[in-house]
Amino acid sequence: QKEVEQNSGPLSVPEGAIASLNCTYSDRGSQSFFWYRQYSGKSPELIMFIYSNGDKEDGRFTAQLNKASQYVSLLIRDSQPSDSATYLCAVNRRIQGAQKLVFGQGTRLTINP
Amino acid sequence: DTEVTQTPKHLVMGMTNKKSLKCEQHMGHRAMYWYKQKAKKPPELMFVYSYEKLSINESVPSRFSPECPNSSLLNLHLHALQPEDSALYLCASRGVGSYEQYFGPGTRLTVT
Repeated sequence: QKEVEQNSGPLSVPEGAIASLNCTYSDRGSQSFFWYRQYSGKSPELIMFIYSNGDKEDGRFTAQLNKASQYVSLLIRDSQPSDSATYLCAVNRRIQGAQKLVFGQGTRLTINP
Repeated sequence: DTEVTQTPKHLVMGMTNKKSLKCEQHMGHRAMYWYKQKAKKPPELMFVYSYEKLSINESVPSRFSPECPNSSLLNLHLHALQPEDSALYLCASRGVGSYEQYFGPGTRLTVT
């Protein structure tokens, strides 16, 4: 079992709809969770992070965390063509006294006009 | 401001060349990271520096040599690379007491 799992997609959503991206993780002790957006040929951009169970909203983005079920999700409301990108879920781990991110494989999202 | 800068943007080098990648941040972050990313794959951690000391080396071949001269600067020295080392090289930094990592724009490396 991979430490962080995402559906690789592609996920296709019509413009204006809600895009729902899901991620599961295996380490029950994980505390910090991140969503990065990566456009083709560009570097990952941090768009959301969440540390507590429940929902966290920022503009059109909502991150949801359920530690009991070990999943974290990202909702994008009113999807726009500019949201088309690969979304990477990441979980923080402490190893050898340093913090590192463990990434999922990424979900490719396409918003259709 | 969460800006991490990387130079050069693109680099083409032969297998016998020696080159260096540079990463800089002025956010007061004390942890800096090098990642390698191949097409359609997530970033793969190479090195972590915490307070200018190497904390993690993810079994990276010795042809990659990191250096952290000060808290704002991170270098990656390259020597005798192989074509399979062609990738996007990403630098990231993290602030004290936080877990969020911010990436630079990356250096696209091609080894011929």
